[in-house]
Amino acid sequence: EDQVTQSPEALRLQEGESSSLNCSYTVSGLRGLFWYRQDPGKGPEFLFTLYSAGEEKEKERLKATLTKKESFLHITAPKPEDSATYLCAVQGGGSEKLVFGKGTKLTVNP
Amino acid sequence: NAGVMQNPRHLVRRRGQEARLRCSPMKGHSHVYWYRQLPEEGLKFMVYLQKENIIDESGMPKERFSAEFPKEGPSILRIQQVVRGDSAAYFCASSPQRTNEKLFFGSGTQLSVL
Repeated sequence: EDQVTQSPEALRLQEGESSSLNCSYTVSGLRGLFWYRQDPGKGPEFLFTLYSAGEEKEKERLKATLTKKESFLHITAPKPEDSATYLCAVQGGGSEKLVFGKGTKLTVNP
Repeated sequence: NAGVMQNPRHLVRRRGQEARLRCSPMKGHSHVYWYRQLPEEGLKFMVYLQKENIIDESGMPKERFSAEFPKEGPSILRIQQVVRGDSAAYFCASSPQRTNEKLFFGSGTQLSVL
């Protein structure tokens, strides 16, 4: 069964303090690993898709990387507006569904 | 360019009543997915539909839950005889093609069962 574990559950940073979020996964035939951002009372908002080990993608202060067992979401010099819950999900071979982790709640203090 | 529209945003039902949740996908999207988010839990897949077809309902409880995506109109997630354990946020997502490179989520319907 496909599984996703995210750590830490919650992370508090000061503005400008860089850090990384972890997503460990087990999946049968990875078709894609996804990062989403979710604000309170809203649906998830797509950030990145990674397809193979070694792949990296960047968007503003965020950078996602992928190995065969885990993915990292690096946040460089975060701002308060980066505060949100970050969700990781995988899609396995032969399936259209995404399997989500429970998320990391990030709080960036000014 | 409206996004995925879900209504109602909040729905309160008493035990035993029926709940109907609606989802209008983004314009041009013919693939709809329903996910459920319980407190302190991750999003859980329920069902994947295309117009007039259920493609994958492996995440749907066997009883009381049904979904449809008719040729015309929104996708409907129907929960009959609701119980307190059905209380959750229900999210709909859409994509323009089968390969969900990028899903667009609605803001969800918060179902509360009294």
